[in-house]
Amino acid sequence: DADVTQTPRNRITKTGKRIMLECSQTKGHDRMYWYRQDPGLGLRLIYYSFDVKDINKGEISDGYSVSRQAQAKFSLSLESAIPNQTALYFCATSDLLRGHEQFFGPGTRLTVL
Amino acid sequence: DQQVKQNSPSLSVQEGRISILNCDYTNSMFDYFLWYKKYPAEGPTFLISISSIKDKNEDGRFTVFLNKSAKHLSLHIVPSQPGDSAVYFCAAKRIIQGAQKLVFGQGTRLTINP
Repeated sequence: DADVTQTPRNRITKTGKRIMLECSQTKGHDRMYWYRQDPGLGLRLIYYSFDVKDINKGEISDGYSVSRQAQAKFSLSLESAIPNQTALYFCATSDLLRGHEQFFGPGTRLTVL
Repeated sequence: DQQVKQNSPSLSVQEGRISILNCDYTNSMFDYFLWYKKYPAEGPTFLISISSIKDKNEDGRFTVFLNKSAKHLSLHIVPSQPGDSAVYFCAAKRIIQGAQKLVFGQGTRLTINP
């Protein structure tokens, strides 16, 4: 079984809709991250969380919100989706001692029409 | 402001030869550098890393070289194998407000030809 899972894997939605992307992990890591990947831009950090009570904005948090429901679950929400949020979204985890080594989920491909 | 740059979007190499992927950075505060490998429909996976206090780290067929004066690092794969065909992301770590953060390059698509 995969250590970091993401649902859904693919989603097509319309402008203005609310969308939630979910991430679960069985690695027992405290730290969780949400990234988006766009062609030619690499991965950019949206939000990160170092424990259930700790939520921090990344470099591109506008238009997004997150919820850390438990140590193992970290959700990303788009309150009102817009076309330029069309991207590949990745969840990742890491532990305290080796924060540079992050473990990624398989990604969610989101298309906003 | 792209602090980590991979200027080659793609690279094609013959099987058995050396693959060299390059990465440049601008921020002297980065203290760790990493390479991630990504296959289609999968998330990136950690490949190899190097601390800023070293200039070389080797792991099997993979070697990462760091040239701090030039703010440049490279990943060497020898010999290249078909399974190495993937997108490779360079990443750099720094501490910002007590938190470790990774900054990724744009990625280089490596194709190994038989």
